Amino acid sequence: SAVISQKPSRDICQRGTSLTIQCQVDSQVTMMFWYRQQPGQSLTLIATANQGSEATYESGFVIDKFPISRPNLTFSTLTVSNMSPEDSSIYLCSVQEQGGRSTEAFFGQGTRLTVV
Amino acid sequence: GNSVTQMEGPVTLSEEAFLTINCTYTATGYPSLFWYVQYPGEGLQLLLKATKADDKGSNKGFEATYRKETTSFHLEKGSVQVSDSAVYFCALSDPGNQFYFGTGTSLTVIP
Repeated sequence: SAVISQKPSRDICQRGTSLTIQCQVDSQVTMMFWYRQQPGQSLTLIATANQGSEATYESGFVIDKFPISRPNLTFSTLTVSNMSPEDSSIYLCSVQEQGGRSTEAFFGQGTRLTVV
Repeated sequence: GNSVTQMEGPVTLSEEAFLTINCTYTATGYPSLFWYVQYPGEGLQLLLKATKADDKGSNKGFEATYRKETTSFHLEKGSVQVSDSAVYFCALSDPGNQFYFGTGTSLTVIP
C-alpha cells in the first residue's frame, strides 16, 4: 500500500496569508487527490491533480483559492490562498491503488490548519 | 446521486462492550463499500472493505456485511478496547472510483 507523507502536520496562520501543503508518495501514481475535512463534517474533495495537466476542481473550489502543483508522479502541493477563519480545516492528500477487486484510497496524516 | 449516511456520534462505550455503527448508502450501479478509521492526529486508514453484495469485510475484530437489500454496511465489533477509540468513516466508491464519505462517528472506549 502507498505511504504518503504530508507536511506540515499543523499550522496556525494569520488571515490574509497563504499556506502551501506538501504531499509526497513513496510510489508513482497517476492521480493525487486533495480533500478538506471541516470540523464535524465529512471529507470533501477539493480537486484531482494529474501530472502534466491542470488540476480538476470540484464544484465550489477554484484554482485562485486553492492552486495545486503536480511536478512529478510522486509529489503534489496544495496552497490555501488569502486565508480566512472559514478555511480552518484538516486538509488531506490521497492516492488510490487497485486492491483486489476494488480501488482503495490511501491518505496522508493530514494538515490541521487554524486561521486566526 | 451517491451518498453515505452514518450514525452520528459521539459514541462512548465501556471496554469489552459490543459496538455497532450504522451506515447506509445511496448509489447507482454496484459500489464498493469501505470503513476507514482515523486515530487522533493521523490520516484515514482502511479498516475493511466489501466489493459485492453479501460480502463480509473483517479486520482487527471488526466486521461489516454488504447488504444490498437494505443498502447498509454496518460496522460491528464484539468487544471493544480502549485502543479502538477513534473516528470511523463509512465510504463508498462508484464504478468511476469516485469516493464518497460519511460524516464520521467518534468512538471513545473507557476502561
